[in-house]
Amino acid sequence: EPEVTQTPSHQVTQMGQEVILRCVPISNHLYFYWYRQILGQKVEFLVSFYNNEISEKSEIFDDQFSVERPDGSNFTLKIRSTKLEDSAMYFCASSIAGALTLYFGPGTRLTVT
Amino acid sequence: TQLLEQSPQFLSIQEGENLTVYCNSSSVFSSLQWYRQEPGEGPVLLVTVVTGGEVKKLKRLTFQFGDARKDSSLHITAAQPGDTGLYLCAGAGNNAGNMLTFGGGTRLMVKP
Repeated sequence: EPEVTQTPSHQVTQMGQEVILRCVPISNHLYFYWYRQILGQKVEFLVSFYNNEISEKSEIFDDQFSVERPDGSNFTLKIRSTKLEDSAMYFCASSIAGALTLYFGPGTRLTVT
Repeated sequence: TQLLEQSPQFLSIQEGENLTVYCNSSSVFSSLQWYRQEPGEGPVLLVTVVTGGEVKKLKRLTFQFGDARKDSSLHITAAQPGDTGLYLCAGAGNNAGNMLTFGGGTRLMVKP
């Protein structure tokens, strides 16, 4: 069964450094998302991406964040200058029909020290 | 801002018992999904409900969407230890970006 994959599974970085989290969505899906989950808290929406542009973003997704689909398969989340409070699990998701059926990846645990 | 409140937060029951998890909001959602999340993994979709009053069954799991599309419930019949996990509800608004708002989750433990 096709699945969303994410790399790396765990990323440790120092405050102020740039990180790129990578995702390979399911191949025939058209909608792509990033969510995050701080330890012990709710899953939070960051951004949705459709037709090669951002379709919606939350207030968390400020100028330090960007997304890109550099080729036909990868979908990346870049954090330009990480802060301690960016430490969280970051989940990529994709869907073929908007929010009705999201398939989540296994997540990347980002630890900012 | 749309909010979803789940209750209870924690539930510990014996194998064979029935249970119901609730997901409530003051906002209307165009659809509502239920997910199950294992430790260290992403949420896995169980079901999507779209129509007010809709009931869907998945083996021993019954999902209901409220008539006003503001609330939902998950009922498990004859719970088994394999049902242990974190259950999340998530609602989709009517926006074009298809953002999901997640509830805080219900952590279920089913003891043998």
